[in-house]
Amino acid sequence: AQRVTQPEKLLSVFKGAPVELKCNYSYSGSPELFWYVQYSRQRLQLLLRHISRESIKGFTADLNKGETSFHLKKPFAQEEDSAMYYCALVHAGNMLTFGGGTRLMVKP
Amino acid sequence: GAVVSQHPSWVICKSGTSVKIECRSLDFQATTMFWYRQFPKQSLMLMATSNEGSKATYEQGVEKDKFLINHASLTLSTLTVTSAHPEDSSFYICSARGPGLAGGRLSEQFFGPGTRLTVL
Repeated sequence: AQRVTQPEKLLSVFKGAPVELKCNYSYSGSPELFWYVQYSRQRLQLLLRHISRESIKGFTADLNKGETSFHLKKPFAQEEDSAMYYCALVHAGNMLTFGGGTRLMVKP
Repeated sequence: GAVVSQHPSWVICKSGTSVKIECRSLDFQATTMFWYRQFPKQSLMLMATSNEGSKATYEQGVEKDKFLINHASLTLSTLTVTSAHPEDSSFYICSARGPGLAGGRLSEQFFGPGTRLTVL
């Protein structure tokens, strides 16, 4: 069965510091991974997907099949990055399995 | 584009009553809709997947007779919590995906704002 693990429930950094939110997965098929973000009192929204290999709001994530990881990184955190971040794996064609989420707090 | 709405956003009901939550895709046709449940400070747990015009597929441990899902059109799915009890109090979130979205985004889901259910 598929599984997504985000080992940190809370990550607190100072503004301008680098950020790395960890995500590990287990899946027997070819993985397709996403990062979703949920700002305070807002709906869940897609941040980025690994197949796009894009940078959104300064965030990047690289799929490492050897380490079965899809860590989210940003070199310089901003206060507006404070939110809940969820790593998710697509399976069975269109179903998402979410990790437990990491709350990022960026302090001024 | 790709906006999903939910109604109501917040509902309080007495134990034993039934509550219906609507999920609508406003600007695209949602061939598949998903219903999730989120407890405080926890992640989203998939409850069921519904395809337009067919019966919903429920995840293990989710009672299909308690959580009735209807996906009667390409823009509307409903979740009815029957005979609600306090333990059903939770945040219910729907998402939708559909064909024809730009950039091959077939596997992308668009989420509604959620419905908070409180059963007294």
